[in-house]
Amino acid sequence: GQQLNQSPQSMFIQEGEDVSMNCTSSSIFNTWLWYKQEPGEGPVLLIALYKAGELTSNGRLTAQFGITRKDSFLNISASIPSDVGIYFCAGSNFGNEKLTFGTGTRLTIIP
Amino acid sequence: DVKVTQSSRYLVKRTGEKVFLECVQDMDHENMFWYRQDPGLGLRLIYFSYDVKMKEKGDIPEGYSVSREKKERFSLILESASTNQTSMYLCASRRAGVETQYFGPGTRLLVL
Repeated sequence: GQQLNQSPQSMFIQEGEDVSMNCTSSSIFNTWLWYKQEPGEGPVLLIALYKAGELTSNGRLTAQFGITRKDSFLNISASIPSDVGIYFCAGSNFGNEKLTFGTGTRLTIIP
Repeated sequence: DVKVTQSSRYLVKRTGEKVFLECVQDMDHENMFWYRQDPGLGLRLIYFSYDVKMKEKGDIPEGYSVSREKKERFSLILESASTNQTSMYLCASRRAGVETQYFGPGTRLLVL
């Protein structure tokens, strides 16, 4: 099955820095989702994007639905220790029950 | 709040054993999913279910089966566990037609 490519695979940043990660696909999606997984837990939805070019914010998080519909970006501003975790992108198409997940970006914050 | 629970957080089994992983959701969701999560590979879909008694293969169904006898419960079965099935298993559910999936906390399975 298809998987989405996420980059970077891992990030080590200092508290207060901004974070950028992206997700690319060889095929288009109608919906992009971003999930966060904290250690020992299941993924939790952060942001959902439904329209090409859409820019959506959730607190310090901002995500964009790429204009080609083959990519998406997630930015975190002024990172804090609780931002630690693995961030997954996921894509889906109308009428398809399945989500296709990215390989994940592991974020570590250095005190 | 949607709640998805999984029967065990950690399991240790021996090669050849039959293993049952249980998942229960309390929001009357029609669709339920089983994924496995491995480092560097993200989440890969094993099986999913549209509704009671319905099931579809995902991307990596080999070595697994599922059962959905009641709407709230979706079971993953490893007929004869093997060491390459050591992984984190995640269950999810969602309302039909809505993209958002809600995940359980995961079961970390070690097969010796």
